[in-house]
Amino acid sequence: DAMVIQNPRYQVTQFGKPVTLSCSQTLNHNVMYWYQQKSSQAPKLLFHYYDKDFNNEADTPDNFQSRRPNTSFCFLDIRSPGLGDAAMYLCATRDPNYNEQFFGPGTRLTVL
Amino acid sequence: AQSVSQHNHHVILSEAASLELGCNYSYGGTVNLFWYVQYPGQHLQLLLKYFSGDPLVKGIKGFEAEFIKSKFSFNLRKPSVQWSDTAEYFCASFKAAGNKLTFGGGTRVLVKP
Repeated sequence: DAMVIQNPRYQVTQFGKPVTLSCSQTLNHNVMYWYQQKSSQAPKLLFHYYDKDFNNEADTPDNFQSRRPNTSFCFLDIRSPGLGDAAMYLCATRDPNYNEQFFGPGTRLTVL
Repeated sequence: AQSVSQHNHHVILSEAASLELGCNYSYGGTVNLFWYVQYPGQHLQLLLKYFSGDPLVKGIKGFEAEFIKSKFSFNLRKPSVQWSDTAEYFCASFKAAGNKLTFGGGTRVLVKP
């Protein structure tokens, strides 16, 4: 089945230690998104790629970076995680001809 | 800026009761609307979506939503809830020009057996 895959599902890191979260898709969608979702809150868009064009949200901290080496993969890099960065990170994809986003299962990040 | 508001943060009801969750969006142009559900510990799942046509949309698990353009609303309904409907529900709107999905704040629903 075509899908959005996120690895790992659970990630524990230490305060200040860089961490990378991974997203891959078999849907061949041009657009990929990264969201941050804290407990009992709505998902908050961090940035998205339209093909190789990177679009950062104005309020996304510089601590968050992203890479998209090819259509299938997209990475979220947190350069120096703080305690406030503990959250669920959701990846989503979209075919630009349609307006529905397909979400992955998320990676739950814990910062010690 | 585009915004989505959900009227209730928490709803508690008993099994077999009817459910209606309010959602209002701010954008006046062409907009696509969605309801997502997130069961405890699980990821977002699409319940239903409205793009155009019949304003009464039927989704999975017995849910439906009605798009009322004049009221900028897209309320979610289920005639008879089950304990398994305990979850958080998110309304969202998509505006093609911005390439972004805007979520409401979510409504946490607890169904008591």
